[in-house]
Amino acid sequence: NAGVTQTPKFRVLKTGQSMTLLCAQDMNHEYMYWYRQDPGMGLRLIHYSVGEGTTAKGEVPDGYNVSRLKKQNFLLGLESAAPSQTSVYFCASSSGLAGVHGANVLTFGAGSRLTVL
Amino acid sequence: GEDVEQSLFLSVREGDSSVINCTYTDSSSTYLYWYKQEPGAGLQLLTYIFSNMDMKQDQRLTVLLNKKDKHLSLRIADTQTGDSAIYFCALRNAGNMLTFGGGTRLMVKP
Repeated sequence: NAGVTQTPKFRVLKTGQSMTLLCAQDMNHEYMYWYRQDPGMGLRLIHYSVGEGTTAKGEVPDGYNVSRLKKQNFLLGLESAAPSQTSVYFCASSSGLAGVHGANVLTFGAGSRLTVL
Repeated sequence: GEDVEQSLFLSVREGDSSVINCTYTDSSSTYLYWYKQEPGAGLQLLTYIFSNMDMKQDQRLTVLLNKKDKHLSLRIADTQTGDSAIYFCALRNAGNMLTFGGGTRLMVKP
């Protein structure tokens, strides 16, 4: 049981390049999330999905797009990378909305470190 | 929006107790969480507390919730070097998503 798997783990981009981060979960979770982690700022929600075929904006969505074509996968895209998007990106999933549907907790991937030069 | 504040660093000696504090602004959160992040890894849930509780104990971990002061704390008894990590508090915000604090880096000295 792999849980939440993120690929790639590391990536270096030049300004203006595009890329996609892939998140896969094998727990049949309905909800999936993309966060970014910056020093001293905790985790900030970029986009999330409440089910296959649905996506919604989080706290910091600008410059990112997402897709949830299959229940188990949640893709995060950067169309034109900027240095401000240098960060560690975490994908997470949950069976219900955390804190709303009981204490449904988030299961996190190991992170993807992205550097934009 | 919701503000969740934590101090950046805490240093303790092995065997001492650690207390990590968290303050927040939204009093409507139903569940409050503590997550642990070890170097190079994602966050893992340590424990959580329901808002109608004042305290929850789980082995070496004690969570205290003061709703009046909007203050959450995590106490780790007999802190070990393996407890060195970043600890995040998190709670539900008005948009039904989790808001995370900035994280407290706990350093345990032998």
